[in-house]
Amino acid sequence: DIVMTQSPDSLVVSLGERATINCKSSQSLLYSSNNKNYLAWYQQKPGQPPKLLFYWASTRESGVPDRFSGSGSGTDFTLTISSLQAEDVAVYFCHQHYYTPYTFGQGTKLEIK
Amino acid sequence: QVHLVQSGSEVKRPGAPLRLSCKASATTFSNYHIHWLRQAPGQGLEWMGVINPRGGGTSFPQKFQDRVTITRDTSTNTVYMDLSGLRSEDTALYYCARDGGFLEWWGYFDYWGQGSLVTVSS
Repeated sequence: DIVMTQSPDSLVVSLGERATINCKSSQSLLYSSNNKNYLAWYQQKPGQPPKLLFYWASTRESGVPDRFSGSGSGTDFTLTISSLQAEDVAVYFCHQHYYTPYTFGQGTKLEIK
Repeated sequence: QVHLVQSGSEVKRPGAPLRLSCKASATTFSNYHIHWLRQAPGQGLEWMGVINPRGGGTSFPQKFQDRVTITRDTSTNTVYMDLSGLRSEDTALYYCARDGGFLEWWGYFDYWGQGSLVTVSS
């Protein structure tokens, strides 16, 4: 199975500051035939199901604020929040949707300083 | 607009079977694959399988191939997930989720049900 490793496990950032979460895959998620990276990011707040933020590594889901960005290719990916807002407190997961069984990172808990 | 509505919480004995339901909107049922995932307490997310509601075709990871069945009822736009031989480690929040691909299977999840909490305890 593909192992997805996120770093850090937890992150404390001041309001208005940048937050960066990394995700590393044990195998490349880039499909050469369509040049797409099969990597998604989700945000999960307490008591709620996950919410899709990005797919194809950098395609923002409708309604996601543009302070969120997704980047990376192959095995290394990053989720960046350019200016942290209070409502961004959540756990963030990366997810590879290239190989079955689909697998997820362990999650990064983002808190406000 | 709510796309996926799941059945309620369940408490089960070890060894018992489980059936969960996920009612989809007509548009979702007709055009999108539906997946099942679970999240054990304090754990990450685990993919359990997928169904194409149009034709009924399914796919499961090896871990669940002998225990999980996913079916659908086209008259009610409902997808069912059956899990046999429950164990304490099956205690988790179970989700159905819509695949992001319109008439295709892309493998990411753009809408999720609200979750069904399953507790397995003697």
